[in-house]
Amino acid sequence: DIQLTQSPSSLSASVGDRVTITCRASQNIDTYLNWFQQRPGTAPKLLVYVASSLQIGVPSRFNGSGSGTDFTLTITNLQPEDFATYYCQQSYNVPRTFGQGTKVDIK
Amino acid sequence: EVQLVESGGGLVKPGGSLRLSCTASGFNFNTYTMNWVRQAPGQGLEWVSSITSSSSYIYYGDSMKGRFTISRDNAANSLFLQMSSLSVEDTAVYYCAREDLTGRLDFWGQGTLVTVSS
Repeated sequence: DIQLTQSPSSLSASVGDRVTITCRASQNIDTYLNWFQQRPGTAPKLLVYVASSLQIGVPSRFNGSGSGTDFTLTITNLQPEDFATYYCQQSYNVPRTFGQGTKVDIK
Repeated sequence: EVQLVESGGGLVKPGGSLRLSCTASGFNFNTYTMNWVRQAPGQGLEWVSSITSSSSYIYYGDSMKGRFTISRDNAANSLFLQMSSLSVEDTAVYYCAREDLTGRLDFWGQGTLVTVSS
């Protein structure tokens, strides 16, 4: 199974900050990497798919990059609604796997 | 508007069984692979199972094999998850999610809570 390791596990930031979350895969997954945002008590929401494509309706302050084994989600100009937990997920093969999550909270 | 609505969750004793349903609307259900993903209380996301559009290919997470069965009824726009031999570790919110050809899970239901407890 492909393991996804996110870092950091949590971070504190302020409104307006730039935040970077990384996701490392245990093997080459090309660009089959997706990013989700989850606010408490709600279902995950797709932000970025195939590493760098922004899902329709997602603000342009979200940016995904990477290929192979190393991927990054960057949020610029952090907004109050961005305080949430973020997960990466690989769609390279089955079983699909998720990273352990990165919680972004208010400093 | 794409909608996925899960149902069937509840309280079940260890060793028991439960059948979850997910009713889809707003898209051509019979052309999409569908997934179940779960989340234990306070924990991360765990992929459970997927089924292709015509049920030709079915996959399970390792801890679900032999206990869970995914199925679908395209005529009824419905996805199912039959769960048996449930343990306390299966306690979670179970989400159904649509998967497109790129593998992205682009729409999710609101989830249904399964609690396994004596």
